[in-house]
Amino acid sequence: GENVEQHPSTLSVQEGDSAVIKCTYSDSASNYFPWYKQELGKGPQLIIDIRSNVGEKKDQRIAVTLNKTAKHFSLHITETQPEDSAVYFCAAQGNTPLVFGKGTRLSVIA
Amino acid sequence: DAGVIQSPRHEVTEMGQEVTLRCKPISGHDYLFWYRQTMMRGLELLIYFNNNVPIDDSGMPEDRFSAKMPNASFSTLKIQPSEPRDSAVYFCASTYRGSNQPQHFGDGTRLSIL
Repeated sequence: GENVEQHPSTLSVQEGDSAVIKCTYSDSASNYFPWYKQELGKGPQLIIDIRSNVGEKKDQRIAVTLNKTAKHFSLHITETQPEDSAVYFCAAQGNTPLVFGKGTRLSVIA
Repeated sequence: DAGVIQSPRHEVTEMGQEVTLRCKPISGHDYLFWYRQTMMRGLELLIYFNNNVPIDDSGMPEDRFSAKMPNASFSTLKIQPSEPRDSAVYFCASTYRGSNQPQHFGDGTRLSIL
């Protein structure tokens, strides 16, 4: 089945700097890759997703890139703000339900 | 627009007791998922339904766990008897058409078994 690895597990950045979170997946049939943000006491919320027919997608300060050959995808957050502090999860889906990475705890230091 | 609604938000009970978690998916969604989240194992899929029918329950840890979806707007996850190792946050999520569509999560039930 699918296996998703996510790195790093924790990340601290200064406010205004960029943050990058990387994920790899194992199933070449996977073709949908969402990213979720989870704040304390809340459920994961979708922030951006990408499908396998595109290599990059951007939404304001957030961008996701996908390399299907290497089976990896990344989340980029630019101009980080304190409210970006949360746990971020990547996930992959193909012929099976979504499989999630273990999460990255992002801390943005003011 | 109402999201996925879970109840209760918190549950504390003694081991051996029956626990029932409830979920109301987003209206019109035809897939419903139950997840368990722990520090050690992250987000684990327990079971999912399509049009109220259980499709895959291979993630259900033991026979003590059961889930039902009697109609399109309600699902339950039951643990009987409960054990301390069942302590976790349980999430329900729903989506429309399932494959390659975003899942919408509730805010979870934090379960503590003493």
